[in-house]
Amino acid sequence: EPEVTQTPSHQVTQMGQEVILRCVPISNHLYFYWYRQILGQKVEFLVSFYNNEISEKSEIFDDQFSVERPDGSNFTLKIRSTKLEDSAMYFCASSAWQGAAKNIQYFGAGTRLSVL
Amino acid sequence: GQQVMQIPQYQHVQEGEDFTTYCNSSTTLSNIQWYKQRPGGHPVFLIQLVKSGEVKKQKRLTFQFGEAKKNSSLHITATQTTDVGTYFCAGRSGAGSYQLTFGKGTKLSVIP
Repeated sequence: EPEVTQTPSHQVTQMGQEVILRCVPISNHLYFYWYRQILGQKVEFLVSFYNNEISEKSEIFDDQFSVERPDGSNFTLKIRSTKLEDSAMYFCASSAWQGAAKNIQYFGAGTRLSVL
Repeated sequence: GQQVMQIPQYQHVQEGEDFTTYCNSSTTLSNIQWYKQRPGGHPVFLIQLVKSGEVKKQKRLTFQFGEAKKNSSLHITATQTTDVGTYFCAGRSGAGSYQLTFGKGTKLSVIP
């Protein structure tokens, strides 16, 4: 079964450093998303991306965050200057193009970001 | 902004007992989705409800979408230890938005 893959599974960084989280969405999907989940809390929407541009973003997704689809397969989330409160599990998700199926988002296993 | 409330936060049941989690949105939803997250895992899609009053079943799981499309429930009949995890509802507000607003989830523990 096709799946969303994320790397690395765990990223440890120092406060103030830049990190790039990587995702390979399901190959025929055209909508891509990033969510985060602080330990023990609910999943929170960060951003959605379609046709090489951001289609929606939440108030969490401030100027420190950016997303990119550098090639035909990868979708990345960059945090320019990490803060302690950025520590969380970051999930990438993707959904298909046609009909109701595009509403179903398939999640990757996540990258655990630890900011020290 | 849209808020999705989910209760209860935790539920402990004996194996074989039933379990229900409830979800309420502050606004009318275009659809609602349910996800299961095992401990240490990622959200796994279970089902999507679109129509007012819709009821869907998956084996021992029954999902309902309210008539006003603002509330939903997930009911598990005769729980098993494999049902352990956190169940999240996630709502979409309307056309043109694919952002999912998640509830806080209900963490289910099943005592063998």
